[in-house]
Amino acid sequence: GAVVSQHPSWVICKSGTSVKIECRSLDFQATTMFWYRQFPKQSLMLMATSNEGSKATYEQGVEKDKFLINHASLTLSTLTVTSAHPEDSSFYICSAKGGLVYEQYFGPGTRLTVT
Amino acid sequence: DQQVKQNSPSLSVQEGRISILNCDYTNSMFDYFLWYKKYPAEGPTFLISISSIKDKNEDGRFTVFLNKSAKHLSLHIVPSQPGDSAVYFCAASEYGGSQGNLIFGKGTKLSVKP
Repeated sequence: GAVVSQHPSWVICKSGTSVKIECRSLDFQATTMFWYRQFPKQSLMLMATSNEGSKATYEQGVEKDKFLINHASLTLSTLTVTSAHPEDSSFYICSAKGGLVYEQYFGPGTRLTVT
Repeated sequence: DQQVKQNSPSLSVQEGRISILNCDYTNSMFDYFLWYKKYPAEGPTFLISISSIKDKNEDGRFTVFLNKSAKHLSLHIVPSQPGDSAVYFCAASEYGGSQGNLIFGKGTKLSVKP
């Protein structure tokens, strides 16, 4: 099956600093990548959708200047949490899909803790 | 307002028996439905899907049933195994093959007891 990786799997940073999370599709070309956030005991909440080479589309309520998304190639998307605050602590998961298929394939997630 | 609802937050089943996970949706424009399995601190894993033109799709121990008139789908796992213990998310898509945004339910935690 399709494999999506995320790096790092776990990161701790100080309040006010920025953190970059990478999402890679390892064995297919991801025309669209998605970034989700999951709070404890809650569902996956879509943050933004990005297509290779174009600007990301952010969901309502998600600050695009705080959560910078770059989808520079068909295999890599990055999420940068800028000026992180403790309330940004969460589990961030990316997913990727190729072409016209419906299925999204998820990365293993990144646990972000802001102190 | 939740467009995809999984009303049972948890389900406990004995090993070897059938597990039935339910999902309801409100948006009649949804045309594709998926089930994902998720272990703690891991990303979801795609399990099985069904198009709105079908009412059943089977893959090994997993079968998904779709009742469009009731806007209801269910995932059947037979026989259930302890390794099936996880959170199961139902997801739906209304954008077809374009963006393909998925709307997720809140999940049902399945516990399969030996």
